[in-house]
Amino acid sequence: ELKVEQNPLFLSMQEGKNYTIYCNYSTTSDRLYWYRQDPGKSLESLFVLLSNGAVKQEGRLMASLDTKARLSTLHITAAVHDLSATYFCAVEGNAGNMLTFGGGTRLMVKP
Amino acid sequence: GAGVSQTPSNKVTEKGKYVELRCDPISGHTALYWYRQSLGQGPEFLIYFQGTGAADDSGLPNDRFFAVRPEGSVSTLKIQRTERGDSAVYLCASSNLDTQYFGPGTRLTVL
Repeated sequence: ELKVEQNPLFLSMQEGKNYTIYCNYSTTSDRLYWYRQDPGKSLESLFVLLSNGAVKQEGRLMASLDTKARLSTLHITAAVHDLSATYFCAVEGNAGNMLTFGGGTRLMVKP
Repeated sequence: GAGVSQTPSNKVTEKGKYVELRCDPISGHTALYWYRQSLGQGPEFLIYFQGTGAADDSGLPNDRFFAVRPEGSVSTLKIQRTERGDSAVYLCASSNLDTQYFGPGTRLTVL
């Protein structure tokens, strides 16, 4: 059974600071996704990582994947208040198949 | 084009009643997924359609839950004899074997 764990579950940080969210998963996977969810809203796709060593960046967010360690990271650079949301990683077991989500990391960026 | 749409956005029902939740996927997407998200948790997989057929229904919690996609586009999730524990946000996603794009969800409350 595929298990996905994120940490931390809650993160409060000051604007301008850097931090990393970690996502560990238990079995081999084809793809790993990062989603953002604002309160009361649905999930917004941020990144899809397809291979070992993949790195993608969008604005202040950068995601990476190490398939050997079964680890993905989401790095936040110089955080701003607008990044406050819950971030989920999700792992796809087989192409075209279901996603298994981590528990989410609730990020609060304080001015 | 339009994204994934779901109706209703909110549904309040009484214990024991029957409910139907509708999902309109992105046009042309062959894969459709249903997930359930409880408060403070990540989404949990329910069922996956490829075209008209249910390719994986291993996430349906019991036989009170059923889903159809008769023409390979719109899908309906059906819940019989609702229980208070069924209260959650039901999310639909579609993909063309790539990123899964999520709808806004239906918030189901069983009184």
